[in-house]
Amino acid sequence: GAGVSQSPRYKVTKRGQDVALRCDPISGHVSLYWYRQALGQGPEFLTYFNYEAQQDKSGLPNDRFSAERPEGSISTLTIQRTEQRDSAMYRCASSLPGGLSGELFFGEGSRLTVL
Amino acid sequence: GESVGLHLPTLSVQEGDNSIINCAYSNSASDYFIWYKQESGKGPQFIIDIRSNMDKRQGQRVTVLLNKTVKHLSLQIAATQPGDSAVYFCAESYSLREYGNKLVFGAGTILRVKS
Repeated sequence: GAGVSQSPRYKVTKRGQDVALRCDPISGHVSLYWYRQALGQGPEFLTYFNYEAQQDKSGLPNDRFSAERPEGSISTLTIQRTEQRDSAMYRCASSLPGGLSGELFFGEGSRLTVL
Repeated sequence: GESVGLHLPTLSVQEGDNSIINCAYSNSASDYFIWYKQESGKGPQFIIDIRSNMDKRQGQRVTVLLNKTVKHLSLQIAATQPGDSAVYFCAESYSLREYGNKLVFGAGTILRVKS
């Protein structure tokens, strides 16, 4: 597609359940990022992939959060044993490589609500 | 630590007037400073960036000014239009391994354009 595609757009789950959020980046974009955005705040960095390699995961809050990008394209962010504090908008972004300033192309996000 | 903040949470301007959105930052280690625009229900969209060794950069109807002495960044929008109504975020860009960029966002300024 023309833009970054994320699914599901909305996810409501009960505390303790696992969730998987999917990101399909722009074709040809080798860099992929996951961010989390709380209401009224800017996005917060979670993790970064270059092709299939996870290069930085310093922003993942704890070990319940993990991400993968096995074939260097689609990525999945998984949250295990969800807690209410995990409720947020999860945004995926992709970009071309080359060390540019950080022009990221963001998807419309997956809004997670943990009851 | 890394932090980016904003002076004004909400800015209301008359259509056709110029808008100035301000941002203060605390960490001087970033390579770039960036402005993003986020419309309701959408992901952030890149507007313009400026390298840390520059003090001014112009785009189409937008100008970004960087004052490193006082650690201040501003976005000027000329002839503001209703379509400019959105939340505006400033962000610092930090290089990651393998050509990645970590963005640290501020909390955002709401721009409302009155017709």
